[in-house]
Amino acid sequence: DIQLTQSPSSLSASIGDRVTVTCQASHDIRNYLNWYQQKPGKAPKLLIYDASKLEPGVPSRFSGSGSGTDFTFTISSLQPEDYATYYCQQFDDLPLTFGQGTRLDIK
Amino acid sequence: QVQLVESGGGLVKPGGSLRLSCAASGFTFSDYYMSWIRQAPGKGLEWISYISSSDSAIYYADSVKGRITISRDNAKNSLYLQLNTLRAEDTAVYYCARSRAYCGTGRCYTDWYLDLWGRGTLVTVAS
Repeated sequence: DIQLTQSPSSLSASIGDRVTVTCQASHDIRNYLNWYQQKPGKAPKLLIYDASKLEPGVPSRFSGSGSGTDFTFTISSLQPEDYATYYCQQFDDLPLTFGQGTRLDIK
Repeated sequence: QVQLVESGGGLVKPGGSLRLSCAASGFTFSDYYMSWIRQAPGKGLEWISYISSSDSAIYYADSVKGRITISRDNAKNSLYLQLNTLRAEDTAVYYCARSRAYCGTGRCYTDWYLDLWGRGTLVTVAS
């Protein structure tokens, strides 16, 4: 199975901060990576697909980049509604796998 | 309204069985592959199974293989997950999610963008 390692596992940030999360794959997954946001008690929501494409309706402050084994997810200016847990997910090979998540808290 | 709604969760004893359902509405269900993903309390996401749009292809993760069966009824816009021989470690919220199917010349594939999820149903395995 392809392992995804997210870093950091948690972080605290303030409104307006720029936030970056990384996701490292155990194998080359090309650009077959998605990013999701999950708020407590809610289902995950797709934000970024194919590593860098913004899902329709998702604010442009969210972005993604990378290919191969190293990927980055960025929130350019943190808003109150962005406090959540973020997951990367690869679809280069089955089984689909997720990173362990990055919890974003209020500083 | 475009949505997925899971049901069927509950408390079950170890070794017991449960059948989960996922009702789809607001979109053409047969145009989508469907997946089940679970999340143990306080833990991350684990994808456990998918079924193709016409149920010609099915996959199970090793952690559940032999103990679960995925199925769908496109006429009823419904997805199912039969869980058998349940263990304490199967305790989780179970989500269904869709990804678009692309079909042509007798072959289909999906993009694996899980773009719609249900709210989940909680399965608790305890004596």
